[in-house]
Amino acid sequence: QVQLQESGPGLVKPSQTLSLTCTVSGGYIGSGNYYWSWIRQPAGKGLEWLGRTYGSGNTDYNPSLKSRVTISIDTSRNQFSLKLTSVTAADTAVYYCARKGDIWGQGIMVTVSS
Amino acid sequence: EILLTQSPGTLSLSPGERATLSCRASQSVDISYLAWYQQKPGQPPRLLIYATSSRASAIPDRFGGSGSGTDFTLTISRLEPEDFAVYYCQQYGSSPLTFGQGTKLEIK
Repeated sequence: QVQLQESGPGLVKPSQTLSLTCTVSGGYIGSGNYYWSWIRQPAGKGLEWLGRTYGSGNTDYNPSLKSRVTISIDTSRNQFSLKLTSVTAADTAVYYCARKGDIWGQGIMVTVSS
Repeated sequence: EILLTQSPGTLSLSPGERATLSCRASQSVDISYLAWYQQKPGQPPRLLIYATSSRASAIPDRFGGSGSGTDFTLTISRLEPEDFAVYYCQQYGSSPLTFGQGTKLEIK
């Protein structure tokens, strides 16, 4: 069955760029009518959708993040990635990758601190 | 942006009781694009319901969804101990995709 796994640094310094990768196993990322999203959740708070990509490479972002977020897909590696620039403490959260809404990764905790 | 408001914030019930959770949208949501999730501590959200009323794979039939327009409901017919968790609604028909703030279902 399809599984997703987030990876990347757990600690990022303020003003730097947060970079995460989601590796998809058990299925091809470029097939089917799916989109691949990044969602985050600060400790004790709700869910915030950051954006998504399709197998075609088309993307769609949450305007609340203005121009800080970029999501890309690499079908040759069966991965998609998140880059969030100019991070602050407010970006500290568990970051999830998900296929549409039906399959989620376990999440990765990212702390922004010097 | 479509804002989703869930009520109540916390619902205290006993096992065996019926739970009714509400999700109200700031504008009309196509019924094809309204989902409900369950989240337990330390776990990712789990899809329960999509397209307003369709149960996701392996979801027990005590979970049901209904609604249209701006008002949607998740009903759990008879609460089991494992149902106590936080529940989120989500609309995915209009970008940005948005979630409600969650309803915590706790044991009374």
